[in-house]
Amino acid sequence: GAGVSQSPRYKVTKRGQDVALRCDPISGHVSLYWYRQALGQGPEFLTYFNYEAQQDKSGLPNDRFSAERPEGSISTLTIQRTEQRDSAMYRCASSSQSGLGRETQYFGPGTRLLVL
Amino acid sequence: GQSLEQPSEVTAVEGAIVQINCTYQTSGFYGLSWYQQHDGGAPTFLSYNALDGLEETGRFSSFLSRSDSYGYLLLQELQMKDSASYFCAVRVNSGNTPLVFGKGTRLSVIA
Repeated sequence: GAGVSQSPRYKVTKRGQDVALRCDPISGHVSLYWYRQALGQGPEFLTYFNYEAQQDKSGLPNDRFSAERPEGSISTLTIQRTEQRDSAMYRCASSSQSGLGRETQYFGPGTRLLVL
Repeated sequence: GQSLEQPSEVTAVEGAIVQINCTYQTSGFYGLSWYQQHDGGAPTFLSYNALDGLEETGRFSSFLSRSDSYGYLLLQELQMKDSASYFCAVRVNSGNTPLVFGKGTRLSVIA
């Protein structure tokens, strides 16, 4: 079946513009995670959802960042008034829920954001 | 805060065995995972340890010692295609919760 997909794959924007990054998780996956990955670093947690409920947004850098998953499937990460320091790879991951605590997170290809 | 330490780079010869260590200091512990990431690619799951001991999956094995807050990934019969970055990651809360990743170890396999 299809894996996690993200769009756009690349986004170049000017400082001050808003951007919306989309994540389409694996069908049926309950949990959806947003991470940000700098070059040469590991993924860093931003926020996550179980179904449509946002469980934790403590990793969002500031209030310019927000995320939603209104129907418990596709999620959008929005960055308002972008700044150059927002430039990074934004990755989405999803996992099923079996209650065993060892659910694998499947990562999407990421959106490379460049703020000029 | 959360801290995971792993070597930044490792080089090994094709056909050899390499061990990548990971030590962690986290607010909670519900399992240690390992992910592989090739240049330009997405992280992909390799293994998971929740209990002490060794987990084996083909050429890859992963070990955990919770008392030492330590784990390692063992890659045997190295192949050129194993050249990639390897990340250890800790689940600090129970259930479907985010992972805390280390900075990664870049493995170069040479002929």
